[in-house]
Formats: sequence, structure tokens, C-alpha cells
Amino acid sequence: AQTVTQSQPEMSVQEAETVTLSCTYDTSESNYYLFWYKQPPSRQMILVIRQEAYKQQNATENRFSVNFQKAAKSFSLKISDSQLGDTAMYFCAFMPFLSIQGAQKLVFGQGTRLTINP
Amino acid sequence: GAGVSQTPSNKVTEKGKYVELRCDPISGHTALYWYRQSLGQGPEFLIYFQGTGAADDSGLPNDRFFAVRPEGSVSTLKIQRTERGDSAVYLCASSFGGGDEQFFGPGTRLTVL
Repeated sequence: AQTVTQSQPEMSVQEAETVTLSCTYDTSESNYYLFWYKQPPSRQMILVIRQEAYKQQNATENRFSVNFQKAAKSFSLKISDSQLGDTAMYFCAFMPFLSIQGAQKLVFGQGTRLTINP
Repeated sequence: GAGVSQTPSNKVTEKGKYVELRCDPISGHTALYWYRQSLGQGPEFLIYFQGTGAADDSGLPNDRFFAVRPEGSVSTLKIQRTERGDSAVYLCASSFGGGDEQFFGPGTRLTVL
């Protein structure tokens, strides 16, 4: 069974600062995807960034980047130049890739509540 | 519609009642997922449809929970004899295929009194 652990229940930083959210996971799979989702108070889960496990290069999307350490099973999210609109719950998620059926369910961590202060 | 829609947005019911939660996926998406998010937790997988068939229902907690997708588009999650522990936000997601990005709806908040 796969598990995802987010050890920081809450974080708070000032606007424009850089913040890093931690995530570790446990799996015996060799092919999988990792994701960071953002969930604002509206409840809508929004994909922030995605990483394929077979890719060594860390994914980047504008102000968001990841540090993917496959051997350590670590997948942290860095938010640069944080903005007030980044305030939300952030969930790390894992998806095994099963070559016959394709990737399936997401396994989520417990979440980190991030607050960006003005 | 442009995104995944779920109805109702909120549902309050009494213990022992039957409820149905509806999900309209993005047009053309063949894969559909249901997740349950309890307060302060991450979403937990319930069931995954590929087309009309349930490809994986291993997350359904017991036989009071059932889901259908008869025409490969709209899905309904059905909960019989609701219990207070069923109170949660029920999220639906869809994707073009099994390995593609999942797009989530806004969820249905179910409260069982």
C-alpha cells in the first residue's frame, strides 16, 4: 500500500517570501506520478505541479518548483515570491502507473495549511 | 460545461436516510473518480470508472455505498442508511484517460444529523 506523509500541518510566511512544503511517500512501485494540489476555501482542488518519477529533472511551473529525491522518496514544493492568493490547503499526492490499466487513483497526504500574510 | 460540476453543493439529511450525489464530468472524459474528504484530512479514494464500468471500487467503505455511471458520462454516488460518520465532502474528478490530469469538481458537503 502506498502512503503519503505531510509533516507540516500549518505554515505561515510573509508575502513575497519563499516557502517550502515537505512531503514524503512510501511505495514499492517503480513507475508513478507525484502531484501538488491546492485547495482554497471554495473546496475546488487545483493542480499546481506534476512530476513523473522516471524524469530526473525537477518540474517547474512559474513560481512553483519541486525538489524530487526519488531514492529518499521525498517530494517538496517550493513557492517563490509568495502571494496572498497562495493561501490555501496544499496536498501532496501519489499515483501509481499501471502500464496495462493506466494510472488510477490518487493517494493524498493529510495536507498543509499555508497562510500568506500581507 | 467548462468544468466538473457536482450537485447538490450541500446536503443535510437525517441518520438512516438514503442520499444520492451527482457528478457531471467534463465532456469527453472517459475516466471518473469519487473521493471522500473528512474534516481536516486529505481526500480518500472511493471508486474509479473507466467508461461505464467500475474499474476499481476498492475504496468503498461498505455495502451501503454504491456508484453508477450508466451511460459513461454522469455518475451518481448512492449512500443507503446514512450514518453520522458519513458526514464529509464528497469530491468527484474526471480525466481524459486513466493517466491524465484529474480535474476536480467543487464537491458536495454531506451532513448527517
